Amino acid sequence: AQSVTQLGSHVSVSEGALVLLRCNYSSSVPPYLFWYVQYPNQGLQLLLKYTSAATLVKGINGFEAEFKKSETSFHLTKPSAHMSDAAEYFCAVTANNAGNMLTFGGGTRLMVKP
Amino acid sequence: DAGVIQSPRHEVTEMGQEVTLRCKPISGHNSLFWYRQTMMRGLELLIYFNNNVPIDDSGMPEDRFSAKMPNASFSTLKIQPSEPRDSAVYFCASRPGTASNQPQHFGDGTRLSIL
Repeated sequence: AQSVTQLGSHVSVSEGALVLLRCNYSSSVPPYLFWYVQYPNQGLQLLLKYTSAATLVKGINGFEAEFKKSETSFHLTKPSAHMSDAAEYFCAVTANNAGNMLTFGGGTRLMVKP
Repeated sequence: DAGVIQSPRHEVTEMGQEVTLRCKPISGHNSLFWYRQTMMRGLELLIYFNNNVPIDDSGMPEDRFSAKMPNASFSTLKIQPSEPRDSAVYFCASRPGTASNQPQHFGDGTRLSIL
């Protein structure tokens, strides 16, 4: 079985500051990992995914994430926050033995201060 | 390209009424998922279809919930009778194929309020 823990249900940064959203996973087999973003009153949009190729994954809107097997982490970063980045971010994990189940973390709400 | 389309976007109804939520997946996608999102429980998978066949419905809360996929371009989630605790945002997602490394594409959801 897989599980995901997102540390920090709320993160606040100033505009232009580094964004770091933490995600740790648990999986008994090689995982596939995803970051999704949810804007108010919308569905989840895929930001980026790790599927066993390069460990540093670049996504949309300037976000990237690094898969670190030794730390079982897949933290999301962006060098410089923009006001439009304010949203809720979800990390999710699955694997080939997961029966197509995508397990989501509890989400992190990112607030960006002017 | 049209994404996953859900209707209605908002539904307010009284306890005991039947509620039907609708979903049109992305054309060519043959996996479809229904999720429920609440503040208390986050995102929960309710049911998963592959090629219109229900594969895993272990997340369906109880017999009041049912889901169908009569063809590749349409699915429904029905609650009968509805209860206030069913109030949530319900999302439909679709995926091309069955490979786990393929991302799911989400609709904008139906916000359901049961009074």
